[in-house]
Amino acid sequence: GAVVSQHPSWVICKSGTSVKIECRSLDFQATTMFWYRQFPKQSLMLMATSNEGSKATYEQGVEKDKFLINHASLTLSTLTVTSAHPEDSSFYICSAKGQGITEAFFGQGTRLTVV
Amino acid sequence: GQNIDQPTEMTATEGAIVQINCTYQTSGFNGLFWYQQHAGEAPTFLSYNVLDGLEEKGRFSSFLSRSKGYSYLLLKELQMKDSASYLCAAMDSNYQLIWGAGTKLIIKP
Repeated sequence: GAVVSQHPSWVICKSGTSVKIECRSLDFQATTMFWYRQFPKQSLMLMATSNEGSKATYEQGVEKDKFLINHASLTLSTLTVTSAHPEDSSFYICSAKGQGITEAFFGQGTRLTVV
Repeated sequence: GQNIDQPTEMTATEGAIVQINCTYQTSGFNGLFWYQQHAGEAPTFLSYNVLDGLEEKGRFSSFLSRSKGYSYLLLKELQMKDSASYLCAAMDSNYQLIWGAGTKLIIKP
């Protein structure tokens, strides 16, 4: 299958700082990227959907000013968690989908811990 | 509303067969996905069904009945490495994935 690379795999940051997570499609053009967060023993929760060159569409209850998503190219999307707080600690996962491709491929995920 | 139901946890024996069921209710339907997720890792794609019937892929098979809103994932010749969560997801008319909470599969020797 296609390869999606997510970086970093884990990050610890201080409360109040911002953290950027990158999601890259390595061997295909990702026209759509999805950002999820997952709490322990819970299912994936879709945060936002981004199409290349367009503003991201955020799910209800997700603060767009806190979770900044940029999808400036067909191979890269970034999620920036601004002014992070301990309650933002979670597993963040991106997935990418190419034009005409049915399944989405997932990045490795980023374990964010805010202290 | 949109909803996916799958068992929370299942236990099976190494070498045996296990079937994980999933029922779904979505606004429109564009296919049913199964993903495997090991603890602390991202999901990996297993199968996609959009037509009724059984799709076999090695030790894993997936079945879909659109009229019943029902799918199952069948795992044969279970191995210890199959211990993971199995996520069922249905794609709605907007091509959004609606995720189940996942079934934790425990394999015992």
